[in-house]
Parts: sequence; C-alpha cells; structure tokens
Amino acid sequence: KAGVTQTPRYLIKTRGQQVTLSCSPISGHRSVSWYQQTPGQGLQFLFEYFSETQRNKGNFPGRFSGRQFSNSRSEMNVSTLELGDSALYLCASSRTGPSGYGYTFGSGTRLTVV
Amino acid sequence: DQQVKQNSPSLSVQEGRISILNCDYTNSMFDYFLWYKKYPAEGPTFLISISSIKDKNEDGRFTVFLNKSAKHLSLHIVPSQPGDSAVYFCAASQYAGGTSYGKLTFGQGTILTVHP
Repeated sequence: KAGVTQTPRYLIKTRGQQVTLSCSPISGHRSVSWYQQTPGQGLQFLFEYFSETQRNKGNFPGRFSGRQFSNSRSEMNVSTLELGDSALYLCASSRTGPSGYGYTFGSGTRLTVV
Repeated sequence: DQQVKQNSPSLSVQEGRISILNCDYTNSMFDYFLWYKKYPAEGPTFLISISSIKDKNEDGRFTVFLNKSAKHLSLHIVPSQPGDSAVYFCAASQYAGGTSYGKLTFGQGTILTVHP
C-alpha cells in the first residue's frame, strides 16, 4: 500500500515569505501529525488533526498553522518565514491517533530559508 | 525541559555483537514508548514499542526493556548488522491521554554505527 506522501521534498524560500507543505496520509488513516526536525531541537511536535479538527498543538508560534481536508490530506503553513524555520518537516498518519500507535512517517519536506 | 533523553550521541559496535541503546524519561505520565530508526533526509521508521504495563517486548532481533521505577528504557539489537547503522530515536507518549493526541516526545537520537 502507498505510504505517507509529502510534497514538495525540497523547498527554498526567502525570509518573510510564506510556505505551504502538503501531506497525504495512508488510505484509511484519519489522523495526521506534523513534526519539525532541526539539529538543535531535534524532533518537535507541531500539531495533530483528526477528521478536519485540530486536536492538539505543540509550542510553536502562531506563524505555524495547519488544516486537514475531508479526504484526510493535510497542509501546514508557515508565514513570515525566519532563518530558524529551516528544518525537515515530517508528517505522520495513523488510523485513530492515540499517540504513537500505528504511526507511519513520510519522508519529509526539507525547507531552507535564506 | 527535555522530558526524553538519550545521553549517548553515538555508539559503535562490531557486526554480530549486541547493540544497546538507552533512553531516560522524566514525565511519569508517559505510558507508551517507541523506538524509531532514521536515515538522513528520510522519515523515522517504526521499530518496536512497549506499553507501560509491560517490561519487555521482543520482535526478531530487537528487544525493548522498560524499567518504570528508574524511568529508563533500552533497545537491544542482537546480532547487530551493518544495515542497522542509522540514527535511533526513542519516543514517549501519553497513549491514553485525551489531550495528547498525535504528540510524541522524542529524544535527541543516538547514531549507531555497526562495523563489518
């Protein structure tokens, strides 16, 4: 079966711009979580969506937002990009979302802010 | 406040020997623990998990041990193979927590190198 698909794989943006990243979960999975990976902070939880509703949010500024569509596909948006937003952004999907159970991660989107 | 810690940034072992990766946590509310393997520019791949009601779980060459009183878990890989070389992350969650959906708290990772 197809895995979690994240697009684009690589992205270069300029400070101050905004960016939208996409995540298509495994068919039948309704929970999508987003994580940011940086060398300094490691893997950090951004937010989780289930049936188009945000159920949980990590400690990130309001510049980071997301949404989920009726087909469970999810997007995250970062506005007013800063150099420190350069990271690997990962999404994970699962059927129901109890934390960690059955999670499958995508390969990520590498965002570089210049 | 780092609630999940992997104190060894790297580990080097010979092929065929045992690899032991360690992880400590501070949050007593965590009740579900996982180990992931990760290659550069790829997402983490699930290896094995354990619920807090157990103290051991095995899956082939991988065994995870949980010591709740010490808030410590470890991953044993026996025998180690060169293909096991990767970054290993432990992660913890509040599986039953209604407000913790989707949230895994990760350690900083341990780079495992298995030499032929």
